[in-house]
Parts: sequence; structure tokens; C-alpha cells
Amino acid sequence: ETGVTQTPRHLVMGMTNKKSLKCEQHLGHNAMYWYKQSAKKPLELMFVYSLEERVENNSVPSRFSPECPNSSHLFLHLHTLQPEDSALYLCASSTQSSGGAGGTDTQYFGPGTRLTVL
Amino acid sequence: QKEVEQNSGPLSVPEGAIASLNCTYSDRVSQSFFWYRQYSGKSPELIMSIYSNGDKEDGRFTAQLNKASQYVSLLIRDSQPSDSATYLCAVVQGGSEKLVFGKGTKLTVNP
Repeated sequence: ETGVTQTPRHLVMGMTNKKSLKCEQHLGHNAMYWYKQSAKKPLELMFVYSLEERVENNSVPSRFSPECPNSSHLFLHLHTLQPEDSALYLCASSTQSSGGAGGTDTQYFGPGTRLTVL
Repeated sequence: QKEVEQNSGPLSVPEGAIASLNCTYSDRVSQSFFWYRQYSGKSPELIMSIYSNGDKEDGRFTAQLNKASQYVSLLIRDSQPSDSATYLCAVVQGGSEKLVFGKGTKLTVNP
């Protein structure tokens, strides 16, 4: 069983709805990530939080808004989404080394939220 | 954008054969490399990590890294039907904490 949990597992929403995805990690990691996985495309990194600060925003539209209140929890707030935003949204966590040469430890993924936008 | 390239497959092998999955990457300064397995409808799970040139073995899995050729591979010995999945190659982009994924290779092991 993964140490990273995500809720809900499935979500269907209309384009005018507002919803939030939740991720929680129980691994003592200090970095958390949101990825989007669409059919026939590579996993796309959306956001990275390291020590609760956002360090990466990969040109993601503003209709996706992340929130990281502490090192164990990560949210993705959704509003006015488009049908092309339908995808599997994956959360991951890892331990990142600080400073120096950097380096990312292994990322562990949650089970994902299958999002359908009507 | 640094790229990670994989043959999308599908790759079909008979049960008991060796499956060979290949990956090339464009960022010369990458130092960390990972193979993930993803079953249909599930999230990726780590199979192997490799950081140094050469081979790294873990059970039926062997990862091979050649930094000069910017090439990393995964060999699966004695392939089983339960190995049927999509295998994702991932590379940490040099100078950042960003993990870049390939599109994945779909492997089917036929009984």
C-alpha cells in the first residue's frame, strides 16, 4: 500500500464547477508534486513544492491553483476547467537534498484522481 | 525542454523470454535515472533507480546506464504475464529537481 494517498479517486465535474483534489503523504518527505497524465502523452509536471514553498510552476493555466499548507498535505484547486483538462492527476512525494549539487530522491506516487470535465 | 525518448511499442515477448526496454535522454548532465512500471489504470511504481555507469541488478530486473551514449535500459529476465504493463523511463534534469518522463513502452508478455 502506497504511503501517498489521494482523494477523490474519481471526479466528474462541469466546466463551471469548483473542486479540489487532495494529496497526503505519510513518508516524512519534504517535497510534493502534481503531475498530469493524459492519454498518449508523457507525465507532465505541473507544480513542485519543496519545504512547503512552490519551486516550480510549469506554465500551468491559472484555472489550476495549488496549495501546500504543510509538508504532508497538498491540494489542487480546480475552477472553470475545460474538457481537455480531463486526465489522471497524480501526486508524488520525495526527499530533496538541500543546496549543493542538489539531487532528487525517488518519487513515490499516489493512486491518482481520474478527472473528467464535461 | 530536455527530452526522454522511449519506443512506445507495443513490445511483445513470450513468457520466459528476456524483455529489453530502451531509453535515451538529451540532458548530458543528468545524474539520476529511474524506471517505473505502470499497470493500466494505476499509478507508476518504482522498479529501479540507477546513478552510475554500468549494470545494476535487482532480482529479475537489470538496469543498464551509459552516460557517454546517454542511454539507459531495463532488462527483464524470465518475463511473466504479470510483467505486462507500461514501463516509464524518468531522468532528473541536470541542475534542477525536475523529473522528466518518457512516454513509456507498453510491454505484453504472452503466456
